[in-house]
Amino acid sequence: DAGITQSPRHKVTETGTPVTLRCHQTENHRYMYWYRQDPGHGLRLIHYSYGVKDTDKGEVSDGYSVSRSKTEDFLLTLESATSSQTSVYFCAISENRDSNQPQHFGDGTRLSIL
Amino acid sequence: AQTVTQSQPEMSVQEAETVTLSCTYDTSESNYYLFWYKQPPSRQMILVIRQEAYKQQNATENRFSVNFQKAAKSFSLKISDSQLGDTAMYFCAFMRQGDNAGNMLTFGGGTRLMVKP
Repeated sequence: DAGITQSPRHKVTETGTPVTLRCHQTENHRYMYWYRQDPGHGLRLIHYSYGVKDTDKGEVSDGYSVSRSKTEDFLLTLESATSSQTSVYFCAISENRDSNQPQHFGDGTRLSIL
Repeated sequence: AQTVTQSQPEMSVQEAETVTLSCTYDTSESNYYLFWYKQPPSRQMILVIRQEAYKQQNATENRFSVNFQKAAKSFSLKISDSQLGDTAMYFCAFMRQGDNAGNMLTFGGGTRLMVKP
């Protein structure tokens, strides 16, 4: 299995508080992604990174920011959490854009915002 | 932009029987890949099978096979000899290659499959 660790696995917090989710990989893959999973929507891309300090927005980026200061770590931050951001968040990695290999996923973080 | 549609939110099948999950997609890309992922209650995302768009032959992985109809933009998953462990959420996904985004995945909304004893 690909070495991807998401932390925390579960978190409950209150509206208006900042939240940071961490994704750590040991595969030295270039690309990292953050998705959210909601019923009926599958997984939707929030942000992605194509290298250290290189990030871009995905389909549902409003209210989220990301940072990647090291190859192995990709952080997702909710600056002021809202109830609509209650979801399961997945991190994924992929090796390079010329590879035909799909992404590998972490085990997800369940985030509840009350 | 790509879209992926799974029109069956829920399905059930008796153990040992065969079930087919539907997926359609829309794209203007010519070079792409299609995947089926399985998500059991443990929440893991497990790759089941993949199909390269340039290949005419349908992919097969043990009890899992696909029916890929490129002109119709259809990519269905057939599970033969269903087992209780196949109970899971199944996601169809589209991947295009290239550019800064690496191998971008677009997912369908999922089909919840229950295998009954």
